[in-house]
Amino acid sequence: EADIYQTPRYLVIGTGKKITLECSQTMGHDKMYWYQQDPGMELHLIHYSYGVNSTEKGDLSSESTVSRIRTEHFPLTLESARPSHTSQYLCASSEYGRADTGELFFGEGSRLTVL
Amino acid sequence: SQQGEEDPQALSIQEGENATMNCSYKTSINNLQWYRQNSGRGLVHLILIRSNEREKHSGRLRVTLDTSKKSSSLLITASRAADTASYFCATDITGGGNKLTFGTGTQLKVEL
Repeated sequence: EADIYQTPRYLVIGTGKKITLECSQTMGHDKMYWYQQDPGMELHLIHYSYGVNSTEKGDLSSESTVSRIRTEHFPLTLESARPSHTSQYLCASSEYGRADTGELFFGEGSRLTVL
Repeated sequence: SQQGEEDPQALSIQEGENATMNCSYKTSINNLQWYRQNSGRGLVHLILIRSNEREKHSGRLRVTLDTSKKSSSLLITASRAADTASYFCATDITGGGNKLTFGTGTQLKVEL
């Protein structure tokens, strides 16, 4: 079992609300990632971090923002949710200091529905 | 288009049969990884193969990598109903900044 946790698992909210999806890991990993998964299964990287105070935008443009104040915590925030943000959001982490990207450990995901 | 594209998109087999999934990619890689996802859950890492490796085994899984063709295959032998899931390849692109790009996935259904 991976020691990476996402909350909430499911969230249904109205348009315009601010939401934060939480992601925490207890493995001491420096690298953390947020992927968005659409109904067709495809995963898109939207944010990643190499460590504390490091955040980068991923390959898919997203209106969400992230922060990395502590190693173990990588929350994702939407200031004003819209129906187009409805999706599954997956958080992952991996070790750093390697020449290549190693195994990613994923959380169970947060399924967001915006009405 | 996607760095990794998988084929087939969906596969349905009987228990005990072998399942083969293919992944093609476009650019030079450091490694290629396969993941499994049960419906509504997170992804679980299955196996990693580096660019200088050609074949790797793990239990009932066999992965091959052909860098000249930019393709990989995942073989699950003697499949079980519990293998029903979606399977994704992911590439660590050379110079890509230590992040994985996922393929489109293959939905595998193993019937009793």
